[in-house]
Amino acid sequence: GEDVEQSLFLSVREGDSSVINCTYTDSSSTYLYWYKQEPGAGLQLLTYIFSNMDMKQDQRLTVLLNKKDKHLSLRIADTQTGDSAIYFCAEGTEGNYQLIWGAGTKLIIKP
Amino acid sequence: EAGVTQSPTHLIKTRGQQATLRCSPISGHTSVYWYQQALGLGLQFLLWYDEGEERNRGNFPPRFSGRQFPNYSSELNVNALELEDSALYLCASSLGGNTEAFFGQGTRLTVV
Repeated sequence: GEDVEQSLFLSVREGDSSVINCTYTDSSSTYLYWYKQEPGAGLQLLTYIFSNMDMKQDQRLTVLLNKKDKHLSLRIADTQTGDSAIYFCAEGTEGNYQLIWGAGTKLIIKP
Repeated sequence: EAGVTQSPTHLIKTRGQQATLRCSPISGHTSVYWYQQALGLGLQFLLWYDEGEERNRGNFPPRFSGRQFPNYSSELNVNALELEDSALYLCASSLGGNTEAFFGQGTRLTVV
């Protein structure tokens, strides 16, 4: 069946760039999402990218999609302590909101 | 504008009991989704309701059920609770076919 995989942890120094990676298996994916979950809070949609795009930039966030390798990444520039959270990658297809989710990557910021 | 609200925030039940979780979507949203987030696991899709009808269901046993009311709020019921049902249950809402869903803060269910 379809699967989405992420590393469980990423540790970066404050001010550095963070790159969170995700791989997926469903070649029919239409949308790929990045969600952020802070402690005690619900999930927050950070950004999403259509499968016919290869890059999307939004302020400090850059999403890169390699459709051939089914690889998605989220780059956070100038990482701050407020970026500490769990980041979930998810993929979905047009008309079906049954997203397939990764297990989440916990981003740890070192001073 | 109020976001997605879920109640209760925390719920403690004993094995074999029933749990009822509630969700109020963002005003104007007709679709409600339920997810289970167990410790160390990703989100698992449970149910999707739209316009009062169940549109899709994840790979969960029948003791997980729910409904959507005319005002688009929703309930998730879990019968015959098992210890493995302990998890964070997240509700999300969206404008029907819209791709963006907004999540509530979740209900943390603990089964003892």
